[in-house]
Amino acid sequence: GDSVTQMEGPVTLSEEAFLTINCTYTATGYPSLFWYVQYPGEGLQLLLKATKADDKGSNKGFEATYRKETTSFHLEKGSVQVSDSAVYFCALSDMNSNSGYALNFGKGTSLLVTP
Amino acid sequence: DSGVTQTPKHLITATGQRVTLRCSPRSGDLSVYWYQQSLDQGLQFLIQYYNGEERAKGNILERFSAQQFPDLHSELNLSSLELGDSALYFCASSETGNSYEQYFGPGTRLTVT
Repeated sequence: GDSVTQMEGPVTLSEEAFLTINCTYTATGYPSLFWYVQYPGEGLQLLLKATKADDKGSNKGFEATYRKETTSFHLEKGSVQVSDSAVYFCALSDMNSNSGYALNFGKGTSLLVTP
Repeated sequence: DSGVTQTPKHLITATGQRVTLRCSPRSGDLSVYWYQQSLDQGLQFLIQYYNGEERAKGNILERFSAQQFPDLHSELNLSSLELGDSALYFCASSETGNSYEQYFGPGTRLTVT
C-alpha cells in the first residue's frame, strides 16, 4: 500500500539556519503530495502542495519539489525563524487507493528553532 | 482559524464507555474526514463522508462508527472504549468529495482511563 517516510526528529536549529526535512513516498498510483504543519495545541494547516511531477509548492518561505524519479518531496526553507517551531507532516493523497482522497501521513518531524 | 469546529475539546472517560465527538465543517464544504492521531500509530485516516453518504473507509475499528447529518455536521461514535483509544481525533472538511485540499479542526483529545 501507499506510505510516507519522513526523517526522524526532533530537529533543532538556530534562527536563520537552513532547513531540510526529508520525505519519500511509495504509491501505486500517481499521488498528490503535501506538507502540513501543526503548531502546539492546534490542528493541522496545509503548508504547501504539489499535484504532479516537477511541480514546486511554496508558501511562507518554505518550498518542496515533487520528484517522481526519486519519489521524494523534501521540505526546505532558507532561513528559519523561532515562529517556525512546530511539527511538520509530509502526506500524500492517491485517488486510486482504497482511501480515495484521504491523506496518508508520515510520522511527523518536530522542529525547534532557538534564538 | 480553519472554520472547522470540533466539540468537545477534551474528553475523559473510562474503559468500556461510549462517547460521541462532533464536527462542523467549513461553510460550503460537503465532505468530512475523520483522523486519529496517537503516539504509536501517528495520524491515521478513519472514514470520509460526502453529503451524508459514506465515501471512503480507512483503518476504522468496528467499535467506531460515524455519520453525517443533513446539516452536514458529522459525529464519530466510539464504543467499548479501551485504553489504546486515547488519542487526538481530528475532523477535516473539503469542498467536494474529490478534493485534495482539506481543512482541519483543532481536534478532540480523548483520554480513556
